[in-house]
Amino acid sequence: QQPVQSPQAVILREGEDAVINCSSSKALYSVHWYRQKHGEAPVFLMILLKGGEQKGHEKISASFNEKKQQSSLYLTASQLSYSGTYFCGTEASGGSYIPTFGRGTSLIVHP
Amino acid sequence: GAVVSQHPSWVICKSGTSVKIECRSLDFQATTMFWYRQFPKQSLMLMATSNEGSKATYEQGVEKDKFLINHASLTLSTLTVTSAHPEDSSFYICSARVRDLAKNIQYFGAGTRLSVL
Repeated sequence: QQPVQSPQAVILREGEDAVINCSSSKALYSVHWYRQKHGEAPVFLMILLKGGEQKGHEKISASFNEKKQQSSLYLTASQLSYSGTYFCGTEASGGSYIPTFGRGTSLIVHP
Repeated sequence: GAVVSQHPSWVICKSGTSVKIECRSLDFQATTMFWYRQFPKQSLMLMATSNEGSKATYEQGVEKDKFLINHASLTLSTLTVTSAHPEDSSFYICSARVRDLAKNIQYFGAGTRLSVL
């Protein structure tokens, strides 16, 4: 079952922060985060495993709350290059370990 | 990260023709590759899992005879859209899975935009 992402879209000015959420109705083994620019392939950002991981990638970090079956992606001091569509992919525990992707969150960063 | 090459990046074809899309893992071996279809402003919909040396596993609702997948080697998977029709027009993306300790990371190709006239 597809994870639910929120919000659907975010518009920011350069330097502002944003949070993108991803929630699942299933117990999760891992959460993946990708960024896709228009007409290009999704680019891997990070993966978090169950156990309550929190990871950072430059000014982009994420947390994974296993109990709530949720993950959040934090973008701080956003840059123009952060614009794109962010997808979370979730792997269910005890499943095939093939991620199912959410519908995406469109992020637009203005100068 | 690992590099996945997908070719061609854009195809325009007439209705009724077949189109082959290649997906290669350039610097690693991929026993498992995935094929996705993406409609404008939509999510990545998994079509099938391509397994090296065996038959592909198709998702529910995906026609096996329509979308032929061959994973002949550890670095190459191909998707052939047979007798393509306008409704097959879409963005097709492949990915290869790399297992790093307990993590299954997917690296995506650049995608192929198929336009069927």
